[in-house]
Amino acid sequence: DSGVTQTPKHLITATGQRVTLRCSPRSGDLSVYWYQQSLDQGLQFLIQYYNGEERAKGNILERFSAQQFPDLHSELNLSSLELGDSALYFCASSVGDRGLGANVLTFGAGSRLTVL
Amino acid sequence: AQSVAQPEDQVNVAEGNPLTVKCTYSVSGNPYLFWYVQYPNRGLQFLLKYITGDNLVKGSYGFEAEFNKSQTSFHLKKPSALVSDSALYFCAVRVIGQGGKLIFGQGTELSVKP
Repeated sequence: DSGVTQTPKHLITATGQRVTLRCSPRSGDLSVYWYQQSLDQGLQFLIQYYNGEERAKGNILERFSAQQFPDLHSELNLSSLELGDSALYFCASSVGDRGLGANVLTFGAGSRLTVL
Repeated sequence: AQSVAQPEDQVNVAEGNPLTVKCTYSVSGNPYLFWYVQYPNRGLQFLLKYITGDNLVKGSYGFEAEFNKSQTSFHLKKPSALVSDSALYFCAVRVIGQGGKLIFGQGTELSVKP
C-alpha cells in the first residue's frame, strides 16, 4: 500500500456520461498530480495541485476538470465521455511542489475507466 | 521541451543474466531523472533518482542506474535479473519551473525468463 488511495478502482460507463474519480494523497503530502495511462498515449500528465491551488497543467481536455479540497483530497471530473477516454487514471502525491519535496511522486493503484 | 525516450518497447533477459533498460533524455539545464516500475494492475513504484552527485545511483530491489551527461543517457541496470523483475519500467524527467510534474517515457516491458 503506497498510502495514496484512489476510488473507484474500476468504472464502466457509457458515452456522454460524467464520472468523478477521487484521490486521497499520502499523509503529509500537499501536492497531487493526475496522470492518464493508455496503450496508445502512454503516461500523460494531466494536472497538478498544491495545497488547493493549480500548479501545472498538461494535456488535459476541456471536458476534464479537477480540484483539490481543503482536506487535500482531489477529484478529477470527466464529462461528455468518449470511447477514447477509456484509460487508467493515476493519482500521485508528493510532499511539496518544488525543490526536494517534489522529487519523489508516490502513485496510487489507479482507477480503470471503461467507456462503452 | 524536456523529454525522455526509451528506445526499446521490450527487453528479454534470462534469469541470472545482467539486464539493461535504456533511457535517453533531453532537458535544458541540469536533469532530474527517475526510474519507476509498474507491475500488472498496480500503480507505479519509485526505484531510484538522479539529482546530482555520483553518476551511478543505487535504488530499490538491487537496481542501479548510470547517468551519462555526454550521451544524455540514464540507463537502468541490474547485475543479475530475477523472474520477479518482469514488469513495465518507466524513465522520467522532472520539468523544472513547472511544479514537480514528471514527464515519462513510453515504457519498456522487461521479461525475465527462467
